[in-house]
Amino acid sequence: QQPVQSPQAVILREGEDAVINCSSSKALYSVHWYRQKHGEAPVFLMILLKGGEQKGHEKISASFNEKKQQSSLYLTASQLSYSGTYFCGTLRTGANNLFFGTGTRLTVIP
Amino acid sequence: DGGITQSPKYLFRKEGQNVTLSCEQNLNHDAMYWYRQDPGQGLRLIYYSQIVNDFQKGDIAEGYSVSREKKESFPLTVTSAQKNPTAFYLCASRRIGLDSGELFFGEGSRLTVL
Repeated sequence: QQPVQSPQAVILREGEDAVINCSSSKALYSVHWYRQKHGEAPVFLMILLKGGEQKGHEKISASFNEKKQQSSLYLTASQLSYSGTYFCGTLRTGANNLFFGTGTRLTVIP
Repeated sequence: DGGITQSPKYLFRKEGQNVTLSCEQNLNHDAMYWYRQDPGQGLRLIYYSQIVNDFQKGDIAEGYSVSREKKESFPLTVTSAQKNPTAFYLCASRRIGLDSGELFFGEGSRLTVL
């Protein structure tokens, strides 16, 4: 039931863009995205709901393809502060527990 | 300010001992969760609870136990039956229902078995 994330790791230079993908074999109600810094708790980025619109906040946005049960997180003009591990969490219709992917480690270098 | 408080932050245990990790929230959330995180891995669900006096097993419940006697509290006991308990444990909560939202996480408890 765990969603699959790709890539597992990516290294960017400041200002470059990245896309992180999350896919599930189950019908989804929503997809959550979180970022975790080393040794800290995950921090919420955004939720995408079934039937909802693409979300975005400044240079981080995401989409949800309901037909394919896939979500993508887009990071544009990356900053050093974007470094961390990104997790997608999926919520199935009628359920109340999220299943998390194994994460994508993003490293932004000067 | 509202939030989730986990304690202790660091805990060392000898093999064969049970330990209990505390999780308290003042967000008035109905649902609470325990996740385990191993180095370089994602979050795996141990137990979750949607209402007082009720809880469900997650993917890796063996060797763990929980209780939900109060809405704001969801302690996790790591028993001696858990074969590899060294990990980072995260407690979380969220609203449930039509306006359900994101997970709010505590700062985590790092358990090391000596």
